[in-house]
Amino acid sequence: AQSVAQPEDQVNVAEGNPLTVKCTYSVSGNPYLFWYVQYPNRGLQFLLKYITGDNLVKGSYGFEAEFNKSQTSFHLKKPSALVSDSALYFCAVRDDTGGFKTIFGAGTRLFVKA
Amino acid sequence: GAVVSQHPSWVICKSGTSVKIECRSLDFQATTMFWYRQFPKQSLMLMATSNEGSKATYEQGVEKDKFLINHASLTLSTLTVTSAHPEDSSFYICSAPDRGGTGELFFGEGSRLTVL
Repeated sequence: AQSVAQPEDQVNVAEGNPLTVKCTYSVSGNPYLFWYVQYPNRGLQFLLKYITGDNLVKGSYGFEAEFNKSQTSFHLKKPSALVSDSALYFCAVRDDTGGFKTIFGAGTRLFVKA
Repeated sequence: GAVVSQHPSWVICKSGTSVKIECRSLDFQATTMFWYRQFPKQSLMLMATSNEGSKATYEQGVEKDKFLINHASLTLSTLTVTSAHPEDSSFYICSAPDRGGTGELFFGEGSRLTVL
């Protein structure tokens, strides 16, 4: 069965500093990995994905994530945080069996202070 | 990108009544849609997979008779919370996969249900 762990409920960072939001996963077969962002009382928006290829994936709003197979991790990063990045971030995984069923982590709330 | 529309955004109902939430794919066809429930703290729980023209597939622990899912067309899935109780109050979100790509999900805006 697939599972995703986001070990941090909350991450605090000062504006302009780099940020990292952690994610580890478990899946049988090859993983398809995703990051989504949610703003208050809204649905989720897709940020980026890893399917195959380069382990460093770049996405929307300057975010990137690094796939590490040996550590089964897919941490989200941004070199310089903005106050507007404050939101709830979800890591998600699905397997490569052909279905689209996606499992989400518990989410990490990011606070960026001015 | 593809658009998924969810309605209503907010609904308040009395205990014992039923509430229907609609999820529409506006510019693409979705043979599969997913319904998630988001609990107050923050976690996103997959409730069921809605399949066009066939029965929904429910996740373990989700009451099929409580949460009725119908996927009557390629652009519409509905979730009906039957005989709602206060513990059903939650944020319900639908999504559909990008079948043309590698399966990222397009999400509706969510529906906040409050049962009095």
